[in-house]
Amino acid sequence: GAGVSQSPRYKVAKRGQDVALRCDPISGHVSLFWYQQALGQGPEFLTYFQNEAQLDKSGLPSDRFFAERPEGSVSTLKIQRTQQEDSAVYLCASSLVKTQYFGPGTRLLVL
Amino acid sequence: AQSVTQLGSHVSVSEGALVLLRCNYSSSVPPYLFWYVQYPNQGLQLLLKYTSAATLVKGINGFEAEFKKSETSFHLTKPSAHMSDAAEYFCAVSAQGGSEKLVFGKGTKLTVNP
Repeated sequence: GAGVSQSPRYKVAKRGQDVALRCDPISGHVSLFWYQQALGQGPEFLTYFQNEAQLDKSGLPSDRFFAERPEGSVSTLKIQRTQQEDSAVYLCASSLVKTQYFGPGTRLLVL
Repeated sequence: AQSVTQLGSHVSVSEGALVLLRCNYSSSVPPYLFWYVQYPNQGLQLLLKYTSAATLVKGINGFEAEFKKSETSFHLTKPSAHMSDAAEYFCAVSAQGGSEKLVFGKGTKLTVNP
């Protein structure tokens, strides 16, 4: 079956621009996670949804970061007024039975 | 709270040699433990997981890991390295019965020499 998909795969933004990153989870997976992976580092947790409810957003680095999953399926991570330090790979994962399956990620470069 | 330490940011082995990637964890509650592999410009692929059943866990591509509570370790091994094993490997922990969010180590880059 289809895995987790993310779009776009690559995004170049000018500093101050808003961006939106999309995640399509595996069909039927209730839980959805976002992680940020800086260059040369392990992924770091950003936020977590169970269906449409955002149960944990403790990892979002600032109020410029916002995530939603309005119908309990597709999720969007939005970053407002991007800064250079936002440059990273953003990974989405969906989960079934305590095991997370990751998408290919979106590589964001802020110039 | 949970944390993961991966000893050795880079490991180099010869093709056919034993692969040993080290992972130590800290957790205030019983953990779930995972190993993921990441190839260049790709997402994370699950190799194996420990979820409180057998302490010796077998995964894909010939990898296995042993959960040792007394040593708080979950080291990854493979008896014979293949060129295709060259990648970055991440150990991760989450809390049993709690949030599923994963806490990752910094990763170990494995190089396999011919």
